[in-house]
Amino acid sequence: AQRVTQPEKLLSVFKGAPVELKCNYSYSGSPELFWYVQYSRQRLQLLLRHISRESIKGFTADLNKGETSFHLKKPFAQEEDSAMYYCAPRTGGGNKLTFGTGTQLKVEL
Amino acid sequence: KAGVTQTPRYLIKTRGQQVTLSCSPISGHRSVSWYQQTPGQGLQFLFEYFSETQRNKGNFPGRFSGRQFSNSRSEMNVSTLELGDSALYLCASSLEPGQSYEQYFGPGTRLTVT
Repeated sequence: AQRVTQPEKLLSVFKGAPVELKCNYSYSGSPELFWYVQYSRQRLQLLLRHISRESIKGFTADLNKGETSFHLKKPFAQEEDSAMYYCAPRTGGGNKLTFGTGTQLKVEL
Repeated sequence: KAGVTQTPRYLIKTRGQQVTLSCSPISGHRSVSWYQQTPGQGLQFLFEYFSETQRNKGNFPGRFSGRQFSNSRSEMNVSTLELGDSALYLCASSLEPGQSYEQYFGPGTRLTVT
């Protein structure tokens, strides 16, 4: 069955510490993978996508096809990174996203 | 440019009633998708519309339906409401379906079924 897993519901780190939010997927074919973020009282928004290979707000994510993972990383967490993060593969030709259960990141001072 | 708008923002309905939610995409966007967000099931895809045609449908009962108008605005309807339909319903728009185009989400409609 096609599935995306985010094993941590809550991840708490101190400011300045490295962050890694895990995402594993189980899909046939080659899904396109995204990370979405929802800050408190704001809309769900795209953080980054694997095809862009970009760094947004210091976050990067590398697609590891062998391990079927797309972990989100940031070397030094900032207080403003506290938010809910969702991993979401997109399969097929349309816009259907299958969201993981999300990880609440809390950056403590 | 105005973002995705959803109306109403909050809604309270009784079991057995029906409800219609509206989504206005960003100007120029022709693809609209709907998602249901609940604490128990998380974010689940409902359906996707492009050029007034449903392109994709999630695993929801037939009580959930939608449509898209020629101006790309979309509505979703839930008939015979159940308590479990209480959720935040999100709409997202993009220029077209496909990987090149970012999807922008609206603020959601909070539906409470009593």
